[in-house]
Parts: sequence; C-alpha cells; structure tokens
Amino acid sequence: DTGVSQDPRHKITKRGQNVTFRCDPISEHNRLYWYRQTLGQGPEFLTYFQNEAQLEKSRLLSDRFSAERPKGSFSTLEIQRTEQGDSAMYLCASSLGGFRDTEAFFGQGTRLTVV
Amino acid sequence: GDSVTQMEGPVTLSEEAFLTINCTYTATGYPSLFWYVQYPGEGLQLLLKATKADDKGSNKGFEATYRKETTSFHLEKGSVQVSDSAVYFCALIGTSGSRLTFGEGTQLTVNP
Repeated sequence: DTGVSQDPRHKITKRGQNVTFRCDPISEHNRLYWYRQTLGQGPEFLTYFQNEAQLEKSRLLSDRFSAERPKGSFSTLEIQRTEQGDSAMYLCASSLGGFRDTEAFFGQGTRLTVV
Repeated sequence: GDSVTQMEGPVTLSEEAFLTINCTYTATGYPSLFWYVQYPGEGLQLLLKATKADDKGSNKGFEATYRKETTSFHLEKGSVQVSDSAVYFCALIGTSGSRLTFGEGTQLTVNP
C-alpha cells in the first residue's frame, strides 16, 4: 500500500486554461475527499465521494470546478478557465468510512500556480 | 457553521521546552476533535483525536483533552524535539459527520 498519491505534484498554468488533477486513493477506501489549502490557511473542504457518488459539494466549488470518481477508484478534479485566485494546494484524502470512525489519509497535494 | 480557531503562530522553541498550541472550536452538538501534523514535504497525518467530552487523545508524547465547557482542545507536549518541527492543524467533525473543518495551522520550529 503506497498511500494516497496525487498527480501532478506541481502545475503552472496560464490564466484561462483548463487543468485536471488526479488522485489515487488507498485501495478499498470507499470515501475520497478534495480539499484546497492556500498559503497560511488550513485546508478547506471542496467535495467528497462515497464510492462513485458525489455526496456533498462546498459553496467554494464554483461552476468552473468539477470532480469525478468513475468506478469508485481514482478521482479527477478539473478547473476550467483558471483564475489567479485558484492558485492553491489541492489535497486529496481517502478513508474507509467516515472520519469519525476511521483515519483519513492525505496525499502530498498538487500545487497549482496560475500566472 | 462549524469553525476552529488556533493560536497565532509561528511558534519557536528550544529543544526540551514545553509546548502548548491553543485550539478552540464552535460547533453544535458533540463534535469529534483532531490534531493533524504536516511535516515538510509530506501530506497531513493524524496525530491524535478525541471523540467525546473529557477524552484525552495522545500519541508520540503529544496530548490533548476535549474540554466541552471551554470548547477547547489544546495540544501539549512536555519536551519537544527538533523532529517535531512541522505545521499543526486542529480540526473537528461536526455532528453532520461528513467533513473535517480545519483551523489555520500553527508552524512550530524547534531549535537544537
């Protein structure tokens, strides 16, 4: 088990371009979460999946953001028409069940810089 | 909504000093409380947790006690090491149960 992996680790893009990030959770973890972390702040919840179903989305997740988890395995987070305010670290976490009962495992994150 | 407030950082200590990082929360009902740690270049890791009032979470010499009356979950360690240098995040899960809400994080630097 290699933990939660995220790809790419770093992404620099021009404003207005689309970007897509991938998260591979720990195998057999049924829950997958996306968080965003800006410099000097704690992670902020974006969305989560239970298996392939997207069960909750934050108000932070504007129409330009979309997340998928086909077949309940890996997940992708796409940002369309990127803006400078999208620059942040995007974190993925997975767990077997809810955080109350089991530990959440976080990936190292994808750092997005929009120039 | 749920929120977590941590003491302002950064915190710089000498090795073997006593550490306290304050954390207070706002939530309805009975949240579960957590401390996560982020070492340089690594992902967030669970350090300890407490799920009900007066519970004490502990791990690696760190402790925190769930105080319902003061809505606090302060992190303490009696003797810090250089290897404890990291960013520490207090977090909670509210009774709705699905998401972690994090504080701003506290950067700890321990000098030899």
